[in-house]
Amino acid sequence: GEDVEQSLFLSVREGDSSVINCTYTDSSSTYLYWYKQEPGAGLQLLTYIFSNMDMKQDQRLTVLLNKKDKHLSLRIADTQTGDSAIYFCAVRNDKLIFGTGTRLQVFP
Amino acid sequence: DVKVTQSSRYLVKRTGEKVFLECVQDMDHENMFWYRQDPGLGLRLIYFSYDVKMKEKGDIPEGYSVSREKKERFSLILESASTNQTSMYLCASSPQVPSYEQYFGPGTRLTVT
Repeated sequence: GEDVEQSLFLSVREGDSSVINCTYTDSSSTYLYWYKQEPGAGLQLLTYIFSNMDMKQDQRLTVLLNKKDKHLSLRIADTQTGDSAIYFCAVRNDKLIFGTGTRLQVFP
Repeated sequence: DVKVTQSSRYLVKRTGEKVFLECVQDMDHENMFWYRQDPGLGLRLIYFSYDVKMKEKGDIPEGYSVSREKKERFSLILESASTNQTSMYLCASSPQVPSYEQYFGPGTRLTVT
């Protein structure tokens, strides 16, 4: 079955850019998503990209998709302390498969 | 805004008890899902439903059952709670089309002692 992998932790300084990476195994994935989970809360959809796109930008967020390498990334520009959270990538073919989540810690 | 609510934020139950977790969505979504979230394991799908009275097993259905009698409500049932079911439970809903994004409730943290 589909396997979606992320590194568990990322630590960045406030104001720097953060890049969270995700790899997946099923090349037939149609939609790819990024979710954010703040402490004690459910998951909030941040953005998604169709599999026929290479890049999507939404304010401080940039999603890059490399279909050949099955690699998805989320770049957060000018990272703020409020961006501290767990970030999940998810890919969809017949159902939605989530990665393990990356905990982003932003320090001053 | 889509709203998905769960009946409890925190729940403590004893081993062997029957536990009901309720989820309600207000956007007339066809699809509803139950996940459990454990550190280092991400989200794992327990059960999902594409329509009223319809249910499908996810990846880890053992020890759980579900009920969907109304479109807006999806219940997760632990028939006889065990300590290994201590976890965060997340409910989600989604439309059928177009992009299938899922909207999540705030979660219920269940502790079984």
